[in-house]
Amino acid sequence: ILNVEQSPQSLHVQEGDSTNFTCSFPSSNFYALHWYRWETAKSPEALFVMTLNGDEKKKGRISATLNTKEGYSYLYIKGSQPEDSATYLCARSQGAQKLVFGQGTRLTINP
Amino acid sequence: GAVVSQHPSWVICKSGTSVKIECRSLDFQATTMFWYRQFPKQSLMLMATSNEGSKATYEQGVEKDKFLINHASLTLSTLTVTSAHPEDSSFYICSVGGSTDTQYFGPGTRLTVL
Repeated sequence: ILNVEQSPQSLHVQEGDSTNFTCSFPSSNFYALHWYRWETAKSPEALFVMTLNGDEKKKGRISATLNTKEGYSYLYIKGSQPEDSATYLCARSQGAQKLVFGQGTRLTINP
Repeated sequence: GAVVSQHPSWVICKSGTSVKIECRSLDFQATTMFWYRQFPKQSLMLMATSNEGSKATYEQGVEKDKFLINHASLTLSTLTVTSAHPEDSSFYICSVGGSTDTQYFGPGTRLTVL
């Protein structure tokens, strides 16, 4: 994998259901993996920064895992709520704070 | 985290004119700010790293004479798109480097060049 790739590009989930999506990235020269939530007309909000293989982080109903050896991270949302509707971005950094972003996963929660 | 503002939030200009976008760090003294742009259906792409009191570092393929960056204070960086053309129409967004390598973003500026 040469670039940061996210899948799926978009996702519709029923309110109350749990969901997850994927970020794949080059595993060589890895420094950190970032997740952001980006609501329309707002600033992207930092969710997690993960650096170690096997890292798991949690923030409320949202959690993320990291596998640096195979180059992927999963973001999980438990019991989706309408306010979870947003675009979720992942980005890989190689030090010097230079972030390389994926295209994002656009999540829509249906009431 | 840091609070970052951008101004304007959207701008429409004529081809050949210059446009200045401001990025302010409201509660954090930022020695480093970053400028990204996003074309439709593409990812955020780093354009340049803005360093307070020194020249910006541009990414490959970004024309430094076209995209002028000034970072004269710890709270303000500006991006000027000179002689803008329709292909410069994009979403421009800045960020501030915080601790733990997290970057805090402004809300972005939508530029449309007619």
